[in-house]
Amino acid sequence: DAMVIQNPRYQVTQFGKPVTLSCSQTLNHNVMYWYQQKSSQAPKLLFHYYDKDFNNEADTPDNFQSRRPNTSFCFLDIRSPGLGDAAMYLCATSIGTSNPPSTDTQYFGPGTRLTVL
Amino acid sequence: AQSVTQLGSHVSVSEGALVLLRCNYSSSVPPYLFWYVQYPNQGLQLLLKYTTGATLVKGINGFEAEFKKSETSFHLTKPSAHMSDAAEYFCAVSGPSAGGTSYGKLTFGQGTILTVHP
Repeated sequence: DAMVIQNPRYQVTQFGKPVTLSCSQTLNHNVMYWYQQKSSQAPKLLFHYYDKDFNNEADTPDNFQSRRPNTSFCFLDIRSPGLGDAAMYLCATSIGTSNPPSTDTQYFGPGTRLTVL
Repeated sequence: AQSVTQLGSHVSVSEGALVLLRCNYSSSVPPYLFWYVQYPNQGLQLLLKYTTGATLVKGINGFEAEFKKSETSFHLTKPSAHMSDAAEYFCAVSGPSAGGTSYGKLTFGQGTILTVHP
């Protein structure tokens, strides 16, 4: 089945130690998103890629960066994790060809739960 | 700016009873509205969405929602709750990203946890 895969499902890191979360997709979608979901809160968009075009949300901290080396993979890098960055990180994809694109369905992966010690 | 308000962070129903989860939105442009379900430690799964056309939208697992522009609402209903419906439900509105691109930034409500009692 076509799907969105996130690895690892659970990640533990130390305060200030860089960490990378991975997302891959077999849907061949143009758009990939990263959301942050803190405990008991709604998911919040950090940034997204349309193909290789990167789009950062205005309030995403500089500590968060992303890479998309090809259509299938997207990475979330947290340069110096703080205790406040502990959260579930959700990757999503959409086809990006609907008119308008905002009507696209976003398909979510299972998430990576990040713990910062 | 777009926003979503879900009334009731927790809803409890008996198995077989009507499920009603409330969602109101604010949008300066025609809204595209979504309901997602999230089971514990899992990602979000689309239940249904409204883009244009018929205002009563049917989704998976027997859920449906009605877009009411005059009330700025998109409430989710299911006639008869099942134990497997217990989960957290998110209403969301889609619109341009803060960077100005159009690729579907989802703005979510705070979520409603549905509990189903035997």
